[in-house]
Amino acid sequence: EAQLLDSGGGLVQPGGSLRLSCVASKITSSTYAMSWVRQAPGKGLEWVSSISGTGGSTYYPDSVKGRFTISRDTSKNTVYLQMNSLRPEDTAVYYCAKAIHQCSSGSCAIYWAFDLWGRGTQVTVSS
Amino acid sequence: ETVLTQSPGTLSLSPGERATLSCRASQSVSNNYVAWYRQTPGQAPRLLIYNASSRAAGVPDRFSGSGSGTDFALTITRLEPEDFAVYYCQQYGSSPLTFGPGTKLDIK
Repeated sequence: EAQLLDSGGGLVQPGGSLRLSCVASKITSSTYAMSWVRQAPGKGLEWVSSISGTGGSTYYPDSVKGRFTISRDTSKNTVYLQMNSLRPEDTAVYYCAKAIHQCSSGSCAIYWAFDLWGRGTQVTVSS
Repeated sequence: ETVLTQSPGTLSLSPGERATLSCRASQSVSNNYVAWYRQTPGQAPRLLIYNASSRAAGVPDRFSGSGSGTDFALTITRLEPEDFAVYYCQQYGSSPLTFGPGTKLDIK
């Protein structure tokens, strides 16, 4: 069964940094478009960043642009989220998630809805 | 930014009943790119519906999605115990990707 294993969360002081990792297991291709989505305590879901299958394109909302960087190492089947200048409002469970790929006749359509999720990793920003 | 509003905030029903959840967008969603997720406490969300009306792999046919433009709905017929959870809609027709605030479906 395909799985995403996200890790790297922890307690960090405001202004600090963390790097999250997401390893894909039993997925036939290592080049799926991927994203990070977070959920603050007791709150809803918030999109944090996305990366194309090749890693050549990255996307961010204004709330994290310039502070967070998404990247991938296809040889390791791993996607990363480097988080700098962390703020208390970044406190959340961070999930990695795989975008939908519908493939036929050798081409794939990518939809930025998420059909596979990691279990999440807790990030707490507090002094 | 496309803001999504979900209603009702909480829906109280009994097992076996039918549920209809609403998601309204602040502007028309391109290509009707709307998805629905179910989330139970302590778990990651699970995709139910994408492209407004396509069921995700392995999702029972008692879940159906409908709508276009700015108004979308998720219908669950014959509620099962595992369906009592929080449901989120998401739009991916424009950036930034956005989620609705959720509808909590609880047992009456």
